Amino acid sequence: QVQLVDSGGGVVQPGRSLRLSCTASGFTFSYFGMHWVRQAPGKGLEWVAVISNDGNKKYYADSVKGRFTISRDNSKNTLSLQMNSLRAEDTAVYYCAKIVGQWELRGSFDFWGQGTLVTVSS
Amino acid sequence: DIQMTQSPSSLSAFVGDRVTITCQATQDINHYLNWYQQRPGKAPKVLIHDASNLERGVPSRFSGSGSGTDFTFTISNVQPEDIATYYCQQHDSLPLTFGGGTKVQIK
Repeated sequence: QVQLVDSGGGVVQPGRSLRLSCTASGFTFSYFGMHWVRQAPGKGLEWVAVISNDGNKKYYADSVKGRFTISRDNSKNTLSLQMNSLRAEDTAVYYCAKIVGQWELRGSFDFWGQGTLVTVSS
Repeated sequence: DIQMTQSPSSLSAFVGDRVTITCQATQDINHYLNWYQQRPGKAPKVLIHDASNLERGVPSRFSGSGSGTDFTFTISNVQPEDIATYYCQQHDSLPLTFGGGTKVQIK
């Protein structure tokens, strides 16, 4: 069965870096675009970034552009989010999410990771 | 960017009631609108894709309609297990955007 496992969250000081990972199983990872979506405590969902199935296309929310980098290793079925210059407003649960359609960047998210909490605080 | 305005932000209903949530886009998104349910402490779950298509395994009391800029999500005969926050999400264009959410409670 499809499984996405998020990891890498923790407490980090403002201005520092953190790298999140999402390990996928149960489907052909290299066929699907993958996203990161975050949720600040008590708030709604915010889309963060997307990467195409082959890793050649990447798009970011304006709020993280220039600071976050999405990447993937299809040989290891792993999605990553490198977060630099972290700010207090980046505090959130970060979810990786799979797009339903093969080769697509947009669509519905049919599977989600369990989320990993990032807290940016001094 | 396409903004999604969802209302109400919260509601309270009796078991068996009909509940309606609306979502409005700032521009035409055709039928590229999904609805998610998020229970406390859990990841969201897609209930309806492309405005009106019920996901497999989702109870038929959930339904969606609309196209263009105006969409509606309905729970007919709301049940205690429907306590959750519901979000709309457009996938017409990047950046993907979500509505602000509607928290559904039972009286």
